Amino acid sequence: AQSVTQLGSHVSVSEGALVLLRCNYSSSVPPYLFWYVQYPNQGLQLLLKYTSAATLVKGINGFEAEFKKSETSFHLTKPSAHMSDAAEYFCAVSEVNSGGSNYKLTFGKGTLLTVNP
Amino acid sequence: NAGVMQNPRHLVRRRGQEARLRCSPMKGHSHVYWYRQLPEEGLKFMVYLQKENIIDESGMPKERFSAEFPKEGPSILRIQQVVRGDSAAYFCASSKGGAAGIFGDGTRLSIL
Repeated sequence: AQSVTQLGSHVSVSEGALVLLRCNYSSSVPPYLFWYVQYPNQGLQLLLKYTSAATLVKGINGFEAEFKKSETSFHLTKPSAHMSDAAEYFCAVSEVNSGGSNYKLTFGKGTLLTVNP
Repeated sequence: NAGVMQNPRHLVRRRGQEARLRCSPMKGHSHVYWYRQLPEEGLKFMVYLQKENIIDESGMPKERFSAEFPKEGPSILRIQQVVRGDSAAYFCASSKGGAAGIFGDGTRLSIL
């Protein structure tokens, strides 16, 4: 079974500082990996996804993530935090069915990012 | 999250009542996923449906929960005889295929 571990349930950074949110996964097959952001009382918005192409994936709002197979990691980074980045972030891995299609997501427990002025 | 409509946004039920949660997928999407989010937990997969078919319901509790996605109309997640432990946010996502669906804003279910 696939699983996702997000290290740090709460990360606090200063505005303008580097954002680093950690994600490690467990998968018996090459994974599809995702990062989502959730603002209060809203659904999840896809930030970026890795689907076995380039290992460095660029997403929206200046975020990017690097797939490292040797470390089974997919950490999310942003060079300079903005106040508007304050939200909860979820890493997810997609399961592949018997037909080879990826479908349901297994999520980590989330990391709450706060940005201090 | 525009495009995937969930209603109601908030639902309050007393123990023993039924809860019906609706999800209208984005236009052109025929795949619907339901997830449940408990406090301080990530989202947990419940069920995956395509039009008129349940593809994977491995995350659904064995009793009281059911889901459908009829040929016409929204997908429905139905919870019978609700209990306090059913209090959660329920999200649906839709896609044309593949896991990275578009999420709705969820239904927050509260059980009194």
